[in-house]
Amino acid sequence: AQSVTQLGSHVSVSEGALVLLRCNYSSSVPPYLFWYVQYPNQGLQLLLKYTTGATLVKGINGFEAEFKKSETSFHLTKPSAHMSDAAEYFCAVSARDAGGTSYGKLTFGQGTILTVHP
Amino acid sequence: DAGVIQSPRHEVTEMGQEVTLRCKPISGHDYLFWYRQTMMRGLELLIYFNNNVPIDDSGMPEDRFSAKMPNASFSTLKIQPSEPRDSAVYFCASSFRAPRDTGELFFGEGSRLTVL
Repeated sequence: AQSVTQLGSHVSVSEGALVLLRCNYSSSVPPYLFWYVQYPNQGLQLLLKYTTGATLVKGINGFEAEFKKSETSFHLTKPSAHMSDAAEYFCAVSARDAGGTSYGKLTFGQGTILTVHP
Repeated sequence: DAGVIQSPRHEVTEMGQEVTLRCKPISGHDYLFWYRQTMMRGLELLIYFNNNVPIDDSGMPEDRFSAKMPNASFSTLKIQPSEPRDSAVYFCASSFRAPRDTGELFFGEGSRLTVL
C-alpha cells in the first residue's frame, strides 16, 4: 500500500517569496510522483512528474520538485511566488510494477492551499 | 484535442432524487477514474475502469452509488437516492497505460453536486 502526506494544509507567502510545499510518500518500491494544481472551480492539471532519471524535475510556471529517496520526499518549490500561483496543490503517487509500468491508479495527498499576499 | 468532458457542471437536487453524472474520456485512453472531492475528505477515488471493465470499486461509499462504462467513450456515475452528504465535486479522469507509462491522469472540470 502507498500513501502521501502533505505537511501543512495552508501555506501563505508574500509575492516574490520562496514557495515550499512539502510532500512525503510511503511506498514499497520507488513510485512515480506527481504534483497537480487546482485553480478555483477547475479540475486538476499536471504541474510536474518524476518517473526515473534526474531527481530534480522542472514543471510549468517555474515550479520544480526534487525526489529524495532517502527522505521519501518530493517537495515542490518555486523561487519567487506570483499572485497567479494561488491555488490548491496536490501531491500524488502511482505504484508501478517491476517493469516500470504504472498500475494506473493515483493516491493523492490532502492538498495544500497556497495563498499569495501582495 | 478535446479533454475529458463532464456533464452537468452543476447539479442541484433534492434529497431522495436520482442523480446521474456523465463523463467522456479522452479518445484512446483505456483507464477511467471517478473521484469525489470534499472539504472534509479531500480527493477520494470511488471507482476505476480498464477497457470498460470495473477494476476496483472499493471506494464507492455505499449501494446508493453505481457506475457504468458501456463503451470506451462514455461513463456514468449514478446516485440513487441522493442524500445531502453526497454534496461534493465529482471528477472524472482518464489515462492511457502503455509499457512504461507513468499513469498521469487527465481530469475533467468536475460536476458540482448539491443535494438539499
